[in-house]
Amino acid sequence: RKEVEQDPGPFNVPEGATVAFNCTYSNSASQSFFWYRQDCRKEPKLLMSVYSSGNEDGRFTAQLNRASQYISLLIRDSKLSDSATYLCVVSSGGGADGLTFGKGTHLIIQP
Amino acid sequence: EPEVTQTPSHQVTQMGQEVILRCVPISNHLYFYWYRQILGQKVEFLVSFYNNEISEKSEIFDDQFSVERPDGSNFTLKIRSTKLEDSAMYFCASRTALGQETYEQYFGPGTRLTVT
Repeated sequence: RKEVEQDPGPFNVPEGATVAFNCTYSNSASQSFFWYRQDCRKEPKLLMSVYSSGNEDGRFTAQLNRASQYISLLIRDSKLSDSATYLCVVSSGGGADGLTFGKGTHLIIQP
Repeated sequence: EPEVTQTPSHQVTQMGQEVILRCVPISNHLYFYWYRQILGQKVEFLVSFYNNEISEKSEIFDDQFSVERPDGSNFTLKIRSTKLEDSAMYFCASRTALGQETYEQYFGPGTRLTVT
């Protein structure tokens, strides 16, 4: 069974701090990896894809470790607007393959 | 910026009734998906659709569910005889087929289905 595991949190972090999330996935055939964010009762919104070489988008850095089957997300200089649930998502990479979601990590940025 | 749209935003129905949830994917996208999220739980894949047929479906997507692309823009999810446990948020998503390296899916705002 394909599973994605995440620490549910909540992570309570002061504004301006750096916060890191990890997740692990069970399906070694997974080919595509993503971080989505989800605000309360809203749709998942794509934050970034995660590439084998690691990638950065502004304050966000994602890393992938295929050998250990884990994915990480680092948020630097956190802002109040970063408060959300962060979803770790994987796919086998086939064109029509459905995404497998983790339950998400809840982040609360405190002023 | 193009986006996926869904109607209605909230649907209340009685157990045993049929419901149709509607989605308009992003116009140049070719892969379409339905997901559901029961309150407090994770997002779960239901079905994917490409080239006018189902490509993949999960164990959740049983005979009570069906999907259709009735015209060039709409993508629908039908639940034939709703159960209480069908109450959830239903998200439609779509993906472009341009380039095999991109598997990013974009989600609509969802339809909240409440079965009473």
